[in-house]
Amino acid sequence: NAGVTQTPKFQVLKTGQSMTLQCAQDMNHEYMSWYRQDPGMGLRLIHYSVGAGITDQGEVPNGYNVSRSTTEDFPLRLLSAAPSQTSVYFCASSNRRSGANVLTFGAGSRLTVL
Amino acid sequence: TQLLEQSPQFLSIQEGENLTVYCNSSSVFSSLQWYRQEPGEGPVLLVTVVTGGEVKKLKRLTFQFGDARKDSSLHITAAQPGDTGLYLCAGAMAGGTSYGKLTFGQGTILTVHP
Repeated sequence: NAGVTQTPKFQVLKTGQSMTLQCAQDMNHEYMSWYRQDPGMGLRLIHYSVGAGITDQGEVPNGYNVSRSTTEDFPLRLLSAAPSQTSVYFCASSNRRSGANVLTFGAGSRLTVL
Repeated sequence: TQLLEQSPQFLSIQEGENLTVYCNSSSVFSSLQWYRQEPGEGPVLLVTVVTGGEVKKLKRLTFQFGDARKDSSLHITAAQPGDTGLYLCAGAMAGGTSYGKLTFGQGTILTVHP
């Protein structure tokens, strides 16, 4: 099993540009989430989803959009990138049967906004 | 304000030494996880503790959940260079289903020198 796959691994944007970070999981997990990791701050929740068609905001949602059209995919969209969004982004998934809080993470996407 | 305070943030020790990492909060958690992360990769789950006072052992690693479910500790005995990495605690808030929404501590960067 591939687990959680994130693309791209690295991305450089200019301020104001838009882009989408892709996340796909092949474990049939119902719960998916996006976190950002910044030095000295651990991971902070951006958005999460409890199933296809259902999303909600986390701790730091401003500047980001998500959608969940299928169980497998959970893309994160930056509408107008800002330098404050320079970070490493992690997608994670889990399910009720194995434990909603037992997260499987992707390898991360490092984003730099100039 | 960090809901989960993790300490110390940096730990540099010699092979064979013992160490303890602490994770403290004023909030009650339904469960607490410890993750380990290596450079360029996503966090990987080490353990989940769910019962107040619970102690779990994973080889040379001992995890404890506080009686009031507000704090946790990770103790490593006879540290080895392979233990080097970023250790993260993460908690699911008590009351209701968390759907994989975790609050993370700032992380502890452990370096074990040969």
